[in-house]
Amino acid sequence: QSALTQPPSASGSPGQSVTISCTGTSSDVGGYNFVSWYQQYPGKAPKLMIYEVTKRPSGVPDRFSGSKSGNTASLTVSGLQAEDEADYYCSSYAGSNNYVFGTGTKVTVL
Amino acid sequence: EVQLVESGGDLVQPGGSLTLSCAASGFTFSRNGMHWVRQAPGKGLEYVSAISSSGDITFYANSVKGRFTISRDNSRNTLFLQMDSLRVEDMAVYYCAADAFDIWGQGTMVTVSS
Repeated sequence: QSALTQPPSASGSPGQSVTISCTGTSSDVGGYNFVSWYQQYPGKAPKLMIYEVTKRPSGVPDRFSGSKSGNTASLTVSGLQAEDEADYYCSSYAGSNNYVFGTGTKVTVL
Repeated sequence: EVQLVESGGDLVQPGGSLTLSCAASGFTFSRNGMHWVRQAPGKGLEYVSAISSSGDITFYANSVKGRFTISRDNSRNTLFLQMDSLRVEDMAVYYCAADAFDIWGQGTMVTVSS
Protein backbone atom coordinates (compact mmCIF):
# COMPACT_ATOMS: atom_id res chain seq x y z
CA GLN A 1 0.00 0.00 0.00
CA SER A 2 1.57 3.29 -1.07
CA ALA A 3 1.34 6.42 1.04
CA LEU A 4 -1.19 9.03 0.01
CA THR A 5 0.39 12.00 -1.75
CA GLN A 6 0.44 15.40 -0.04
CA PRO A 7 2.41 18.54 -0.93
CA PRO A 8 5.49 18.83 1.29
CA SER A 9 4.66 22.36 2.32
CA ALA A 10 1.97 25.02 2.31
CA SER A 11 1.89 28.52 3.71
CA GLY A 12 -0.26 31.55 4.24
CA SER A 13 -0.40 34.81 6.13
CA PRO A 14 -2.50 35.19 9.28
CA GLY A 15 -6.16 35.45 8.36
CA GLN A 16 -5.70 33.82 4.97
CA SER A 17 -6.78 30.32 3.96
CA VAL A 18 -4.61 27.37 3.04
CA THR A 19 -5.75 24.15 1.38
CA ILE A 20 -3.85 20.88 1.51
CA SER A 21 -4.53 18.09 -0.96
CA CYS A 22 -4.31 14.36 -0.34
CA THR A 23 -4.29 12.14 -3.41
CA GLY A 24 -4.84 8.43 -3.32
CA THR A 25 -6.54 5.85 -5.48
CA SER A 26 -9.94 4.25 -5.93
CA SER A 27 -8.80 1.61 -3.42
CA ASP A 28 -8.51 4.10 -0.59
CA VAL A 29 -9.54 7.78 -0.78
CA GLY A 30 -11.86 7.27 -3.73
CA GLY A 31 -13.39 4.07 -2.43
CA TYR A 32 -14.42 5.05 1.08
CA ASN A 33 -15.72 8.09 2.94
CA PHE A 34 -13.25 7.42 5.74
CA VAL A 35 -10.69 10.15 5.21
CA SER A 36 -9.24 11.76 8.31
CA TRP A 37 -6.84 14.64 8.92
CA TYR A 38 -4.36 15.01 11.77
CA GLN A 39 -2.40 17.93 13.15
CA GLN A 40 0.99 17.20 14.67
CA TYR A 41 3.34 19.54 16.50
CA PRO A 42 7.05 18.61 16.75
CA GLY A 43 7.62 15.93 19.35
CA LYS A 44 3.90 15.51 19.99
CA ALA A 45 1.30 12.91 19.11
CA PRO A 46 -1.05 13.49 16.17
CA LYS A 47 -4.42 15.08 16.92
CA LEU A 48 -7.55 14.20 14.98
CA MET A 49 -8.92 17.29 13.23
CA ILE A 50 -11.33 15.87 10.62
CA TYR A 51 -12.90 12.43 10.28
CA GLU A 52 -15.20 10.81 7.72
CA VAL A 53 -14.12 13.44 5.16
CA THR A 54 -16.01 16.41 6.60
CA LYS A 55 -16.75 15.87 10.30
CA ARG A 56 -15.01 17.78 13.10
CA PRO A 57 -14.45 16.25 16.55
CA SER A 58 -15.69 18.26 19.48
CA GLY A 59 -13.29 21.09 20.28
CA VAL A 60 -11.81 21.48 16.80
CA PRO A 61 -12.40 25.02 15.49
CA ASP A 62 -14.75 25.38 12.53
CA ARG A 63 -11.88 27.07 10.69
CA PHE A 64 -10.88 23.52 9.76
CA SER A 65 -12.93 21.86 7.03
CA GLY A 66 -12.58 18.82 4.84
CA SER A 67 -13.83 17.73 1.44
CA LYS A 68 -13.30 15.04 -1.16
CA SER A 69 -13.61 14.72 -4.91
CA GLY A 70 -12.80 11.44 -6.56
CA ASN A 71 -9.46 10.17 -5.37
CA THR A 72 -8.39 13.47 -3.80
CA ALA A 73 -9.32 14.79 -0.38
CA SER A 74 -8.60 18.29 0.87
CA LEU A 75 -8.20 20.08 4.18
CA THR A 76 -8.83 23.81 4.29
CA VAL A 77 -7.74 25.97 7.17
CA SER A 78 -9.49 29.34 7.05
CA GLY A 79 -8.51 32.40 9.01
CA LEU A 80 -4.98 31.09 9.59
CA GLN A 81 -3.60 31.62 13.08
CA ALA A 82 -0.07 31.27 14.39
CA GLU A 83 -1.00 28.12 16.30
CA ASP A 84 -2.01 26.40 13.05
CA GLU A 85 1.66 26.10 12.12
CA ALA A 86 2.23 22.35 12.30
CA ASP A 87 2.49 19.20 10.22
CA TYR A 88 -0.72 17.83 8.78
CA TYR A 89 -1.36 14.25 7.71
CA CYS A 90 -4.30 12.72 5.92
CA SER A 91 -5.30 9.10 6.23
CA SER A 92 -7.82 6.84 4.54
CA TYR A 93 -9.33 3.47 5.14
CA ALA A 94 -8.02 1.11 2.47
CA GLY A 95 -10.16 -1.96 3.05
CA SER A 96 -9.53 -5.20 4.94
CA ASN A 97 -8.82 -3.42 8.23
CA ASN A 98 -5.99 -1.47 6.59
CA TYR A 99 -5.37 2.26 6.75
CA VAL A 100 -2.90 4.38 4.83
CA PHE A 101 -1.43 7.73 5.81
CA GLY A 102 -0.37 10.65 3.67
CA THR A 103 3.18 11.86 3.22
CA GLY A 104 2.55 14.91 5.38
CA THR A 105 2.43 18.67 4.79
CA LYS A 106 4.24 21.30 6.80
CA VAL A 107 2.06 24.39 7.15
CA THR A 108 3.88 27.64 7.77
CA VAL A 109 2.14 30.80 8.93
CA LEU A 110 4.06 33.67 7.39
CA GLU B 1 -9.33 11.62 31.97
CA VAL B 2 -9.24 9.73 28.69
CA GLN B 3 -5.69 8.53 28.25
CA LEU B 4 -3.37 6.10 26.48
CA VAL B 5 0.14 5.64 27.88
CA GLU B 6 2.74 3.66 25.95
CA SER B 7 5.79 2.07 27.51
CA GLY B 8 8.50 -0.43 26.67
CA GLY B 9 10.51 1.48 24.10
CA ASP B 10 14.24 0.85 24.34
CA LEU B 11 17.51 0.44 22.49
CA VAL B 12 17.76 -3.02 20.94
CA GLN B 13 20.20 -4.66 18.56
CA PRO B 14 19.16 -5.73 15.06
CA GLY B 15 17.53 -9.14 15.29
CA GLY B 16 16.40 -8.50 18.83
CA SER B 17 12.94 -8.43 20.39
CA LEU B 18 10.89 -5.92 22.34
CA THR B 19 7.35 -5.73 23.70
CA LEU B 20 5.48 -2.43 23.80
CA SER B 21 2.52 -1.81 26.10
CA CYS B 22 -0.27 0.73 25.91
CA ALA B 23 -2.32 1.30 29.07
CA ALA B 24 -5.79 2.74 28.57
CA SER B 25 -7.91 4.69 31.03
CA GLY B 26 -10.98 6.93 31.03
CA PHE B 27 -12.91 5.03 28.36
CA THR B 28 -14.29 1.55 27.80
CA PHE B 29 -11.20 -0.14 26.39
CA SER B 30 -12.92 -3.47 25.80
CA ARG B 31 -15.37 -1.90 23.35
CA ASN B 32 -12.70 -0.31 21.16
CA GLY B 33 -10.55 -1.69 18.41
CA MET B 34 -6.98 -0.45 18.76
CA HIS B 35 -4.14 0.50 16.45
CA TRP B 36 -0.36 0.89 16.43
CA VAL B 37 1.12 3.64 14.24
CA ARG B 38 4.82 4.45 13.98
CA GLN B 39 6.89 7.42 12.91
CA ALA B 40 10.55 7.10 11.99
CA PRO B 41 12.74 10.08 12.92
CA GLY B 42 11.94 13.00 10.64
CA LYS B 43 9.47 10.92 8.63
CA GLY B 44 5.73 10.55 8.26
CA LEU B 45 3.19 8.32 9.96
CA GLU B 46 3.03 4.63 9.04
CA TYR B 47 0.16 2.30 9.92
CA VAL B 48 1.51 -0.81 11.62
CA SER B 49 -1.14 -3.03 13.14
CA ALA B 50 -4.67 -3.24 14.48
CA ILE B 51 -6.79 -5.49 16.68
CA SER B 52 -10.53 -5.77 17.16
CA SER B 53 -12.22 -5.07 20.46
CA SER B 54 -12.38 -8.76 21.37
CA GLY B 55 -8.95 -9.54 19.99
CA ASP B 56 -10.13 -12.09 17.44
CA ILE B 57 -9.30 -10.01 14.36
CA THR B 58 -5.84 -8.60 13.70
CA PHE B 59 -4.13 -6.73 10.88
CA TYR B 60 -0.48 -6.20 10.07
CA ALA B 61 1.22 -3.98 7.52
CA ASN B 62 3.33 -5.94 5.04
CA SER B 63 6.46 -4.34 6.50
CA VAL B 64 5.95 -6.08 9.88
CA LYS B 65 3.92 -9.15 8.99
CA GLY B 66 5.42 -12.31 10.44
CA ARG B 67 7.64 -10.36 12.85
CA PHE B 68 5.20 -8.34 15.00
CA THR B 69 2.28 -9.65 17.07
CA ILE B 70 -0.51 -7.46 18.40
CA SER B 71 -2.55 -8.56 21.40
CA ARG B 72 -4.66 -7.15 24.19
CA ASP B 73 -5.74 -7.89 27.74
CA ASN B 74 -9.17 -6.37 28.29
CA SER B 75 -9.08 -7.27 31.99
CA ARG B 76 -6.03 -5.03 32.35
CA ASN B 77 -7.09 -2.40 29.78
CA THR B 78 -3.78 -2.92 28.03
CA LEU B 79 -2.68 -3.28 24.41
CA PHE B 80 0.59 -4.95 23.43
CA LEU B 81 2.91 -5.13 20.44
CA GLN B 82 5.44 -7.94 20.47
CA MET B 83 8.24 -7.09 18.04
CA ASP B 84 10.66 -9.79 16.96
CA SER B 85 13.50 -9.87 14.42
CA LEU B 86 13.82 -6.11 14.69
CA ARG B 87 15.47 -4.25 11.83
CA VAL B 88 17.11 -0.84 11.62
CA GLU B 89 14.13 0.33 9.58
CA ASP B 90 11.80 -0.45 12.51
CA MET B 91 13.38 2.38 14.50
CA ALA B 92 10.59 4.85 15.24
CA VAL B 93 8.27 6.38 17.78
CA TYR B 94 5.42 3.94 18.24
CA TYR B 95 1.98 5.33 19.03
CA CYS B 96 -1.12 3.44 20.09
CA ALA B 97 -4.46 4.90 19.09
CA ALA B 98 -8.06 4.07 19.84
CA ASP B 99 -10.53 2.81 17.25
CA ALA B 100 -11.56 6.13 15.73
CA PHE B 101 -8.05 7.57 16.01
CA ASP B 102 -9.50 10.19 18.34
CA ILE B 103 -7.31 9.13 21.25
CA TRP B 104 -3.54 8.77 20.91
CA GLY B 105 -0.78 7.99 23.35
CA GLN B 106 2.32 10.12 23.71
CA GLY B 107 4.48 7.54 21.93
CA THR B 108 7.42 5.38 22.92
CA MET B 109 10.75 5.35 21.10
CA VAL B 110 12.23 2.16 19.72
CA THR B 111 15.86 2.41 18.67
CA VAL B 112 17.39 -0.43 16.67
CA SER B 113 21.14 -0.17 16.47
CA SER B 114 24.25 -2.22 17.06
